[in-house]
Amino acid sequence: EAQVTQNPRYLITVTGKKLTVTCSQNMNHEYMSWYRQDPGLGLRQIYYSMNVEVTDKGDVPEGYKVSRKEKRNFPLILESPSPNQTSLYFCASRTGGRGYTFGSGTRLTVV
Amino acid sequence: AQKVTQAQTEISVVEKEDVTLDCVYETRDTTYYLFWYKQPPSGELVFLIRRNSFDEQNEISGRYSWNFQKSTSSFNFTITASQVVDSAVYFCALSEGLMYSGGGADGLTFGKGTHLIIQP
Repeated sequence: EAQVTQNPRYLITVTGKKLTVTCSQNMNHEYMSWYRQDPGLGLRQIYYSMNVEVTDKGDVPEGYKVSRKEKRNFPLILESPSPNQTSLYFCASRTGGRGYTFGSGTRLTVV
Repeated sequence: AQKVTQAQTEISVVEKEDVTLDCVYETRDTTYYLFWYKQPPSGELVFLIRRNSFDEQNEISGRYSWNFQKSTSSFNFTITASQVVDSAVYFCALSEGLMYSGGGADGLTFGKGTHLIIQP
């Protein structure tokens, strides 16, 4: 089944403790991206990647890092999480025809 | 830069009523894609439809229909004979064809969402 897999689904952590949210797709898509969703703000793009070793900032990149060492994986790294990064996170991959596939989401709470 | 506006923050209707969710977009590109997603209380994003800017035909899928009007930059979504299971947050989104992407981000621009409540 074609899918984007995010892990974990839920995560509670403490301020300053580094964490990684993993994202993997099995569709051989070149494009992948990360979004965060906050009440009243909709979804906003954090980072995106057009291909292996090519990443670029989205609209809200501050406090996040990404890497794209393999086509299938696009992890989101929070080196020093803060409470304002408490949010619902989605990973997505995309076909050339703008067909997006989203992961199931990761609900992150930073206390 | 591109922008998507969903002016209705929350709509509440009684089951079996028809309801229309509005979406207005802004883009400088002549090639772009418009989307609707449903987010039920469980939180996942459910894809509903994708239209490209060259296809202005309206679409109907069961109780769902979409009205795309380039002249008013709108892509409205109507649910006919609403049901309680339609209760969710609905997002409209835009993806540009990158003619004018310049230094901007490449991806989906979402509206803030409309929370639809269907009362039994």
